[in-house]
Amino acid sequence: DSGVTQTPKHLITATGQRVTLRCSPRSGDLSVYWYQQSLDQGLQFLIQYYNGEERAKGNILERFSAQQFPDLHSELNLSSLELGDSALYFCASSSLLVQGRLTNYGYTFGSGTRLTVV
Amino acid sequence: KNEVEQSPQNLTAQEGEFITINCSYSVGISALHWLQQHPGGGIVSLFMLSSGKKKHGRLIATINIQEKHSSLHITASHPRDSAVYICAFTSYNTDKLIFGTGTRLQVFP
Repeated sequence: DSGVTQTPKHLITATGQRVTLRCSPRSGDLSVYWYQQSLDQGLQFLIQYYNGEERAKGNILERFSAQQFPDLHSELNLSSLELGDSALYFCASSSLLVQGRLTNYGYTFGSGTRLTVV
Repeated sequence: KNEVEQSPQNLTAQEGEFITINCSYSVGISALHWLQQHPGGGIVSLFMLSSGKKKHGRLIATINIQEKHSSLHITASHPRDSAVYICAFTSYNTDKLIFGTGTRLQVFP
């Protein structure tokens, strides 16, 4: 167990549907990142949240949105799903606040959610 | 052109062999990361380094900042080392990871 919990592990859904992926970061980590891994694009950064606020955005489609809640867990919402959205979605966490200073000791990844759109 | 290039793309080895995977990047970075992804899909962070060399068990990671190059070495390779090894970096103005395409390693007994 890496300390980052992602649910569900697998998701099969139809085109046009909407799904929500959930991530609980490692205890104490303030940053949450969402990454997409598809066969043709490899691993790509989608979005980052830090302590509840959006901090950076990558090539995230307008159909996708995310948020981080006060307890620091994060959700990635994917809507109007298309076949091409089938991929592994990873959440990672990092960044501890140590003596008032933000310090990145590295990343901890969740085990991923495998999304299949049929 | 990708900002981070890995070589080789695929690597097969006999158990016990010394293995080297290379990573070159083209921009200034704040840290270089080596990740391992097993066939089941999970990703494990192996190393985060910004200079010099780090060692963990049979794994060694080195980085040459001037040459913008890093290597991951596996000594006395074992079939359980079979995985995809991914090089990634963070740059100074953001801590999101930019990934290489990965090196698929298969170690045979």
